[in-house]
Amino acid sequence: AQTVTQSQPEMSVQEAETVTLSCTYDTSENNYYLFWYKQPPSRQMILVIRQEAYKQQNATENRFSVNFQKAAKSFSLKISDSQLGDTAMYFCAFTPGGSYIPTFGRGTSLIVHP
Amino acid sequence: SQTIHQWPATLVQPVGSPLSLECTVEGTSNPNLYWYRQAAGRGLQLLFYSVGIGQISSEVPQNLSASRPQDRQFILSSKKLLLSDSGFYLCALTAPNEKLFFGSGTQLSVL
Repeated sequence: AQTVTQSQPEMSVQEAETVTLSCTYDTSENNYYLFWYKQPPSRQMILVIRQEAYKQQNATENRFSVNFQKAAKSFSLKISDSQLGDTAMYFCAFTPGGSYIPTFGRGTSLIVHP
Repeated sequence: SQTIHQWPATLVQPVGSPLSLECTVEGTSNPNLYWYRQAAGRGLQLLFYSVGIGQISSEVPQNLSASRPQDRQFILSSKKLLLSDSGFYLCALTAPNEKLFFGSGTQLSVL
C-alpha cells in the first residue's frame, strides 16, 4: 500500500518570501503521478501542480515549483514570492499509473503573513 | 471543461435521520467519481469510488452507502446518521490525465 507523509502540520512565511513544503511517499510502483492540491479557507480543493514520475524535469506553474527526487521518494513544493492568497491547506497526493485511487497526505497548513 | 455540482453547501441533521447528498457532473462522459470525507482541519478520507453506472467500491466500512444511477450522478446516502458522520463531504471526478476535480463540498453536522 502507498503512503504519503507530510511532516509539517503548520508552516508560516512572510509575504514575498519563499517557502518549501515537504512531502515523502512510499511505493513499489515505477509509474505514478504526484500532485499538490490547495484548499483555501473557502474549502474548494484546487490542483496546484502535477508531476509524472517518468519525467525527470521538475514541474513548474508560475510561482509554484516542485523538487522531485524519485530515488529519495520526495516531492516538495516551493512557493516563491508568497502572497496572502496562498494561505491555505496544502495536500500532497500520489496516484499509481493505471489506478484511479489517489492517496493523500494529511496536509500542511500554510499561513502567509503581511 | 468539467464542472461538478454538489449540494447542499451546509446541512444540519439529527442523529438517526436519513441522508442523501447528490453530486452531478458536466463536461465529461464516463468519469470516475469519488466521495471523500474531511474531518475538521485534517486530510481526506476516501469513502467510495465508482468507475461506471451501478459500480460502487467502498473503501471504509460504515453506515454510509453510495449509488450511481446515471453516468453523471453520484449519490451518498445513509439510513440513520451517527454523530461520527459529521464532516465535510467532497465529490470529485478524475480527469483523463488522472488529476482530480473537486466539487465545492457539503458541511454536514449531525446533532
